[in-house]
Amino acid sequence: GAGVSQSPSNKVTEKGKDVELRCDPISGHTALYWYRQSLGQGLEFLIYFQGNSAPDKSGLPSDRFSAERTGGSVSTLTIQRTQQEDSAVYLCASTPRVAVDEQFFGPGTRLTVL
Amino acid sequence: AQSVTQLGSHVSVSEGALVLLRCNYSSSVPPYLFWYVQYPNQGLQLLLKYTSAATLVKGINGFEAEFKKSETSFHLTKPSAHMSDAAEYFCAVSVPYGGSQGNLIFGKGTKLSVKP
Repeated sequence: GAGVSQSPSNKVTEKGKDVELRCDPISGHTALYWYRQSLGQGLEFLIYFQGNSAPDKSGLPSDRFSAERTGGSVSTLTIQRTQQEDSAVYLCASTPRVAVDEQFFGPGTRLTVL
Repeated sequence: AQSVTQLGSHVSVSEGALVLLRCNYSSSVPPYLFWYVQYPNQGLQLLLKYTSAATLVKGINGFEAEFKKSETSFHLTKPSAHMSDAAEYFCAVSVPYGGSQGNLIFGKGTKLSVKP
């Protein structure tokens, strides 16, 4: 079956612009996570969605970052007024059961802020 | 709070040699532990996981890891390296209960090179 998909695969933007990154989780997976992978910081947790519960935003680095998950499926991560330090690979993962099961990762979106 | 330390950002072995990638964790409660592999320009793929059953865990591609509570370690091994094992390996921890959302805390990663 289809895995986690993310789009776009690459995004180049200018400093100060807004960007939207999309994640399509595996069908039926109730939990969805966003992580950021950067050279200086490694892999960092950003935000978590579980069903219809309020998301856990504790990992978001600033209020320029936000995310939503519509209909319990597709998720969009939005970065407003991008900065050069936002350049990273943004990874999305989904899992059927929180913590117990493997998280399935998408291929990521490589964001470059010029 | 949980944390993971991977000793050695780069490890180089010869083809056919033993692979040993080190991971130590810190957790105030019994954790779940994972090893993920990332090939160039790809996402993360699960190699194996420890979820409080057998302490010696076997994964894909001939890898295995042993959970040692007394040493707070979860080192990854493979008896004989293959060229296709060249990749970056990440150790991760999560807390599976107590209202945790199960997000993974990753180590910094270890890049494995395999020499012919």
